[in-house]
Amino acid sequence: DGGITQSPKYLFRKEGQNVTLSCEQNLNHDAMYWYRQDPGQGLRLIYYSQIVNDFQKGDIAEGYSVSREKKESFPLTVTSAQKNPTAFYLCASSIWDSFGEDGYTFGSGTRLTVV
Amino acid sequence: DAKTTQPPSMDCAEGRAANLPCNHSTISGNEYVYWYRQIHSQGPQYIIHGLKNNETNEMASLIITEDRKSSTLILPHATLRDTAVYYCIVRVAYDFNKFYFGSGTKLNVKP
Repeated sequence: DGGITQSPKYLFRKEGQNVTLSCEQNLNHDAMYWYRQDPGQGLRLIYYSQIVNDFQKGDIAEGYSVSREKKESFPLTVTSAQKNPTAFYLCASSIWDSFGEDGYTFGSGTRLTVV
Repeated sequence: DAKTTQPPSMDCAEGRAANLPCNHSTISGNEYVYWYRQIHSQGPQYIIHGLKNNETNEMASLIITEDRKSSTLILPHATLRDTAVYYCIVRVAYDFNKFYFGSGTKLNVKP
């Protein structure tokens, strides 16, 4: 079945360390996204990518970096510059060209905890 | 982009219809209304979307008022597994950096 796979489901990081969250999709979607969710809050957009080798900052990009070397993959690195990285991270993908029928699909998320 | 207003929480008896309201009074003519839900610690799941006509699928019905300033998501026979946070989102097709998720409505389905 097609879908989005995020790994790992739980991740622990020591302060000052960079960590990379994986996101892979086999839906043949053009666009991919990273969101952050804090307890009891909605989702906030970190980065998004419309095509390979191109990506744009979202609303809260500071302290994060991404790459899009392959259509299927959009890894997110949480750097030591991110002051409050403990959160639930969600990856999503969608068709780029559509009239509302964009198949926006989310992964199951990675819960990152800084210890 | 239009913003949405939803009640923070609602209760519903199992087997009854759950009606979740959403206000989007500043919606533009080219903005769609989407509904997603999120079960605890999982990714949001697409439910339904519409532009101006009422829509129905196997999961739910979407009723959009004639002036498009509000909508209602209807789960016809709520089950315990429908307990989740429901998000109402409005956005323009093609504007993929404008998919704003607010705090949503926590629906509690009770036996």
